[in-house]
Amino acid sequence: QVQLVQSGAEVKKPGASVKVSCKASGYTFTSYGISWVRQAPGQGLEWMGWISAYNGNTNYAQKLQGRVTMTTDTSTSTAYMELRSLRSDDTAVYYCARAEWLRPPYYMDVWGKGTTVTVSS
Amino acid sequence: DIQMTQSPSTLSASVGDRVTITCRASQSISSWLAWYQQKPGKAPNLLIYQASSLESGVPSRFSGSGSGTEFTLTISSLQPDDFATYYCQQYDSYSPVTFGQGTKLEIK
Repeated sequence: QVQLVQSGAEVKKPGASVKVSCKASGYTFTSYGISWVRQAPGQGLEWMGWISAYNGNTNYAQKLQGRVTMTTDTSTSTAYMELRSLRSDDTAVYYCARAEWLRPPYYMDVWGKGTTVTVSS
Repeated sequence: DIQMTQSPSTLSASVGDRVTITCRASQSISSWLAWYQQKPGKAPNLLIYQASSLESGVPSRFSGSGSGTEFTLTISSLQPDDFATYYCQQYDSYSPVTFGQGTKLEIK
């Protein structure tokens, strides 16, 4: 079945970086894109950005520009999201979700279970 | 960015009720709107896309309507499994993805 399997929980200190992985299975990875969405404790959903697994094009939320990098490894059908210079308000559950391959704004039909990232000194 | 405003923020209802959640966009988004259901500790689950298209496997008691700036999600007869938080999301071509703030559907 179609699924996205994310890496495990992380605890980081302020100023550090985190890299979350998202391994796809059950579909042709390069026919879709991957969006990343985060959710701070008790809060709503925040779109972080998107990468096309077809051609590697990316589109990031303006507030994260310069701190976030999204990549893919098509040989392993895995997407990655790296967030640098972590702050306490980056503490959240990070989700990867399948999106359209061509344009960044799209709906997301398959979601990973989420990766909890805690930023604390 | 396009702002999405949901109402109400919280909704109390009983099993069997018909409920409607509204989502308003700060500018026209045509029909570029999706609805998600999220239960505590779980990832969001896509219910509706393109404002009114039912995602495969989603019960037919869920329906979506609207276009432009005003949209609704209707659950025709609430089931115990439907108590959750619902989010709208716009995906207009010329703007970053944004979500509504969520509507928590509680048991009355």
